[in-house]
Amino acid sequence: KNQVEQSPQSLIILEGKNCTLQCNYTVSPFSNLRWYKQDTGRGPVSLTIMTFSENTKSNGRYTATLDADTKQSSLHITASQLSDSASYICVVSAGTGNQFYFGTGTSLTVIP
Amino acid sequence: DTGVSQDPRHKITKRGQNVTFRCDPISEHNRLYWYRQTLGQGPEFLTYFQNEAQLEKSRLLSDRFSAERPKGSFSTLEIQRTEQGDSAMYLCASSLRGQLEGEQYFGPGTRLTVT
Repeated sequence: KNQVEQSPQSLIILEGKNCTLQCNYTVSPFSNLRWYKQDTGRGPVSLTIMTFSENTKSNGRYTATLDADTKQSSLHITASQLSDSASYICVVSAGTGNQFYFGTGTSLTVIP
Repeated sequence: DTGVSQDPRHKITKRGQNVTFRCDPISEHNRLYWYRQTLGQGPEFLTYFQNEAQLEKSRLLSDRFSAERPKGSFSTLEIQRTEQGDSAMYLCASSLRGQLEGEQYFGPGTRLTVT
């Protein structure tokens, strides 16, 4: 069964600290993996997209890693800011890239 | 603003009423998707269009739900005889086949509350 699981479900960190969010998937055949940031009441916004051959991709303070062998991805946020408070969703696409499997997200709260 | 837009942003309706939502994708995007998201959950796929053709429908899309994309541009999602369980955020996304395959751009969503 194609599934995407994220951990932790929620996380609270102090402003300025780093954190790492995890995504494990069983989707096959793998096409690509995306991390989205979703602010409360808004649509998701893409942070990174990674294909099978990519191990690391950065977007500012966000760095995503992908291990296609273990089917794991992580999103590392450096020097967190209050505006990072949001839900972070891992999405894996399968086949030709048009079947999407969403994780339930990690809710991140950054406190001053 | 050249992003995906959705209208309305919020809709409150009484159980049993029909509602219709609209999505305007990014203009050159030929693929359009509808998702439903409940609180604390990730989006769930409902249906997908390539141009005007509805190519895939989730089993979540009961016979009370219908989606159209008549001219391959904007799309509508109609829910008939709404139920309280239909209360959710309805998200629309669009993408362009052949460019960053699978890269979807989401709209702000329509939040439906059925009372």
